[in-house]
Amino acid sequence: NAGVMQNPRHLVRRRGQEARLRCSPMKGHSHVYWYRQLPEEGLKFMVYLQKENIIDESGMPKERFSAEFPKEGPSILRIQQVVRGDSAAYFCASSPLQDRARYQETQYFGPGTRLLVL
Amino acid sequence: SQQGEEDPQALSIQEGENATMNCSYKTSINNLQWYRQNSGRGLVHLILIRSNEREKHSGRLRVTLDTSKKSSSLLITASRAADTASYFCATVNILNDMRFGAGTRLTVKP
Repeated sequence: NAGVMQNPRHLVRRRGQEARLRCSPMKGHSHVYWYRQLPEEGLKFMVYLQKENIIDESGMPKERFSAEFPKEGPSILRIQQVVRGDSAAYFCASSPLQDRARYQETQYFGPGTRLLVL
Repeated sequence: SQQGEEDPQALSIQEGENATMNCSYKTSINNLQWYRQNSGRGLVHLILIRSNEREKHSGRLRVTLDTSKKSSSLLITASRAADTASYFCATVNILNDMRFGAGTRLTVKP
């Protein structure tokens, strides 16, 4: 049972280019979360998605950032026209369909993608 | 893989009581962080403790770190029903790799 996979693990972009980060959730998981981590800081929530739905994007910058989780395939975090300040580690986590009766809340994290903008 | 291992997996207490959650890890770390997740929401960063620190406080939260035992604890004092959530520890090594545990599910009964 493979864990959460993210690729690429490292991504280098020049200012103005686009960055696409992929996250494949654990098998059977239908919820995906994206987080950004700046050096020496904690994770900051960006967006929470279910298949084909954005549930909560309150942590997403209003411009240049978008996320999707299509019916088939991985979740994608897309950053257009990257700037140096976008350099960070981006983590995704997945969780199964939440069973509120049993209060299942476990998130499983991927290894992260480290984005460097030159 | 998840490096941090939280225990207990689930904890149920009465409002007003203290809640203690533990986290153990295996490799050397740069810092350790605690997070909270409320139902259906993303993680919220609570507190970061560096490897050269032994204790940190933030409001009703107290975090300790024992690098010799490779363990940390999160204490929530005078718990409230609103503290009901899952709590995760995450370790960050010297290469800035972050690894999460599976979390402790805390239920505070009113």
